[in-house]
Amino acid sequence: AQSVTQPDIHITVSEGASLELRCNYSYGATPYLFWYVQSPGQGLQLLLKYFSGDTLVQGIKGFEAEFKRSQSSFNLRKPSVHWSDAAEYFCAVGADSWGKLQFGAGTQVVVTP
Amino acid sequence: DAMVIQNPRYQVTQFGKPVTLSCSQTLNHNVMYWYQQKSSQAPKLLFHYYDKDFNNEADTPDNFQSRRPNTSFCFLDIRSPGLGDAAMYLCATSRDQGGDKNIQYFGAGTRLSVL
Repeated sequence: AQSVTQPDIHITVSEGASLELRCNYSYGATPYLFWYVQSPGQGLQLLLKYFSGDTLVQGIKGFEAEFKRSQSSFNLRKPSVHWSDAAEYFCAVGADSWGKLQFGAGTQVVVTP
Repeated sequence: DAMVIQNPRYQVTQFGKPVTLSCSQTLNHNVMYWYQQKSSQAPKLLFHYYDKDFNNEADTPDNFQSRRPNTSFCFLDIRSPGLGDAAMYLCATSRDQGGDKNIQYFGAGTRLSVL
C-alpha cells in the first residue's frame, strides 16, 4: 500500500531564512508526487508536481522540490520565506489512473519576524 | 477564471438535522471528489465520481451520501449529522487525460458546525 510521511509536524522559521519540508513516500512504482499548501480556513492550492523527467521541479511562489528515487523522498524548499508563507503544507502521492491522492499528515509552518 | 466553488463557506446545523453541501466547477473535469478534513489533519477522501460512476471509500459512513446531477455540480448530503461530523469539507476535481491529468483542483471548502 502506498503511504506518505511528513516527519515534521511543525516548523518555525524566521522571515528571510530558507525552508525545507521533508516528505517520504512508499510506493512500488514511480508515483505522481505533489505539494499542496493550505492557508487557514482555505482549500488546498497546488504548489508543484512531479510526474516524470527532471527531478528538480519548480513551482509557484518561489518553491521547488527534488525527487530522489533512492531515498523515496520529495522534499520542498524555498530559499527565502515570506510572512505570507505561513500555512500548512501537504505532500501527496497519486498512483491511480484517475488521480486518487494519499496525503501526508501535513507540516505547519510558522514564520517569525 | 475557471474554478471550483463551494457553497456555503460556513454551515451550521443541528445534531441529526440533514444538511447538504454543494460544489460546482467550471473546469469541465470528469472526476469530482469529496474530502473531510478535521482540525490539524490531512484531508480524508470520502468518495469520488468518475463521470457518473460513484465510488465510495470503504470506511466512509453510510451517513454520507453524494449526488452528481451533471458534470458541473456535485452535492454532499449528511443525513443525520453527529458532533463528530463537524469538519471542513473539501471538494476537488481532476481529469483523466490531458496535460493536467491527475492534478486535483480544490475549492475553498465548507466549514460545517454541528450544534
